[in-house]
Amino acid sequence: DSGVTQTPKHLITATGQRVTLRCSPRSGDLSVYWYQQSLDQGLQFLIQYYNGEERAKGNILERFSAQQFPDLHSELNLSSLELGDSALYFCASSVVGKTEAFFGQGTRLTVV
Amino acid sequence: DAKTTQPTSMDCAEGRAANLPCNHSTISGNEYVYWYRQIHSQGPQYIIHGLKNNETNEMASLIITEDRKSSTLILPHATLRDTAVYYCIVSASDSWGKLQFGAGTQVVVTP
Repeated sequence: DSGVTQTPKHLITATGQRVTLRCSPRSGDLSVYWYQQSLDQGLQFLIQYYNGEERAKGNILERFSAQQFPDLHSELNLSSLELGDSALYFCASSVVGKTEAFFGQGTRLTVV
Repeated sequence: DAKTTQPTSMDCAEGRAANLPCNHSTISGNEYVYWYRQIHSQGPQYIIHGLKNNETNEMASLIITEDRKSSTLILPHATLRDTAVYYCIVSASDSWGKLQFGAGTQVVVTP
């Protein structure tokens, strides 16, 4: 158990819909990261938040957004969903200044 | 562009050492070598990292060549639970958890 909690574990939704994925980092970790893993793209970094502020952006679509709340949990919002958004979405957290990231078990999103 | 090159797959017998190579010929002076693994769609798991010295922890050993252009992850006594995709990643220390994953090496440990 990495200490990072993601909910829900599975999500099935229709094209055009909007979903929210939730992540609770390890206790004390201020940084949260979101990754997407699809069959054809592998693991891709989406976005990082540090103590409530966006710190780095990767290959995140404009239809996707994220935020980190004062209690440090984070949410990834995916809107106008397309079939190609079906993937595993991982959240990770780390201690300030450390590159060792601890990953949650992921949310498997299926868009039908 | 991929910063690391790893074999696509390798097999290892249970109880034997597994040696996983990684080439990173364009590594910069401030970049570390990190290893993660992912067991069948679970979240990636941090294994070990190093800058230029060899490192060892309870999971594995990391051997980095003197010119830092390649490294080897060693799992000393592979078990069936070590079957996973292993990712070698080079990353600057200030990248924190922003990691660029490649395709990794699929390691299958057989009885």
